[in-house]
Amino acid sequence: EVHLVESGGGLVQPGGSLRLSCAASGFTFSSYWMTWVRQAPGKGLEWVANIKQDGSEIYYVDSVKGRFTISRDNARNSLYLQMNSLRAEDTAVYYCARPAGVGHLVYFFDCWGQGTLVTVSS
Amino acid sequence: EIVLTQSPATLSLSPGQRATLSCRASQSVSSYLAWYQQKPGQAPRLLIYDASNRAAGIPARFSGSGSGTDFTLTISSLEPEDFAVYYCQQRSNWPPMYTFGQGTKLEIK
Repeated sequence: EVHLVESGGGLVQPGGSLRLSCAASGFTFSSYWMTWVRQAPGKGLEWVANIKQDGSEIYYVDSVKGRFTISRDNARNSLYLQMNSLRAEDTAVYYCARPAGVGHLVYFFDCWGQGTLVTVSS
Repeated sequence: EIVLTQSPATLSLSPGQRATLSCRASQSVSSYLAWYQQKPGQAPRLLIYDASNRAAGIPARFSGSGSGTDFTLTISSLEPEDFAVYYCQQRSNWPPMYTFGQGTKLEIK
């Protein structure tokens, strides 16, 4: 069974850092682009970043460029999001998500983790 | 950047009624549009992709239509478990960046 499990969320002060992890199982992790999506409390979904299978292509939403770094370790079937210089507006549940196919044209996500909550507050 | 606008923001209906949710794109996305359902405390669930294809395990009462800039998600006869928030989503060709609509909350009347 395909499974994604996020971890690493918590309470952090503004300006602080946090590293999220997403453990994948039940599929060939190295064959898929992977994505982080977040959802602020009571708000909608926002794409954060995605990374190609081999890490050679990475894209970010403008609001996190220069502060967040997405990475992956295919040997460990894991996806990461290093978040630095955190702001109150980064407070959200962070989901990792897998597209429904391995090609770069597959734009929709059929597998999501349960999410991990990041709270940025003093 | 393509913007997706969903309407209405909230839809109040009763079980058994038909629900029609709209998603409008600021420019053509061809048929590359997906719909998701999200219940409180849960991750989104894929319902529809490529505008009209149901994802695996999705009941036939869910259907999608449209192309270009105007899309519709229809739930033919609402079941109690269908009351949730629904999002549409697309991805730009290059760079591959994703956008979601702001959501439509389907609530029990």
